[in-house]
Amino acid sequence: GDSVTQMEGPVTLSEEAFLTINCTYTATGYPSLFWYVQYPGEGLQLLLKATKADDKGSNKGFEATYRKETTSFHLEKGSVQVSDSAVYFCALWGGSYIPTFGRGTSLIVHP
Amino acid sequence: GAVVSQHPSWVICKSGTSVKIECRSLDFQATTMFWYRQFPKQSLMLMATSNEGSKATYEQGVEKDKFLINHASLTLSTLTVTSAHPEDSSFYICSASKALAGDEAEQFFGPGTRLTVL
Repeated sequence: GDSVTQMEGPVTLSEEAFLTINCTYTATGYPSLFWYVQYPGEGLQLLLKATKADDKGSNKGFEATYRKETTSFHLEKGSVQVSDSAVYFCALWGGSYIPTFGRGTSLIVHP
Repeated sequence: GAVVSQHPSWVICKSGTSVKIECRSLDFQATTMFWYRQFPKQSLMLMATSNEGSKATYEQGVEKDKFLINHASLTLSTLTVTSAHPEDSSFYICSASKALAGDEAEQFFGPGTRLTVL
């Protein structure tokens, strides 16, 4: 079946540091890939998405590129802020339309 | 657009009582709604998937008699935790999708409901 693997957290960074959160997946067919962000005490918000190979999703300075050859969708940001502290979920939506989520990666950004 | 609300946002109840959580899509018709339970350390567990007018499809290990799901209309799904016990305390999140399938099958999430069972 489909699966998503995210790097273990928490990821702790200083403000303005570069961020990478790794995400790899296994799926049949050609899934759509998503990153969601969850701020403390809130539900999930869509951060960015990509629907086909080589697509790059971007939003709020975050980027992720759909790499079919490496089955990856790593999240990156060039300069993180304290306000980016949250939990980030990588997810895929395949042909079965049942979503599959990674376990989430907590990001803590210190001033 | 694509706003999903949940009510209540938090609830405290006594052990043995039942609690109903509502999930509404405010500005679109949700063909499919999903219910998740989020455990400590943030892992998100899909509990069930429901389509309007049909029975919910429960994931393995989720008790359908314990967690009753009703998708009464294209904008409303309810989750009822029956005879709640302290181990049911959790953060419950719903999401809604406009599509049954397809490459633009995006989910829109509600803000979550914090359930505490005493």
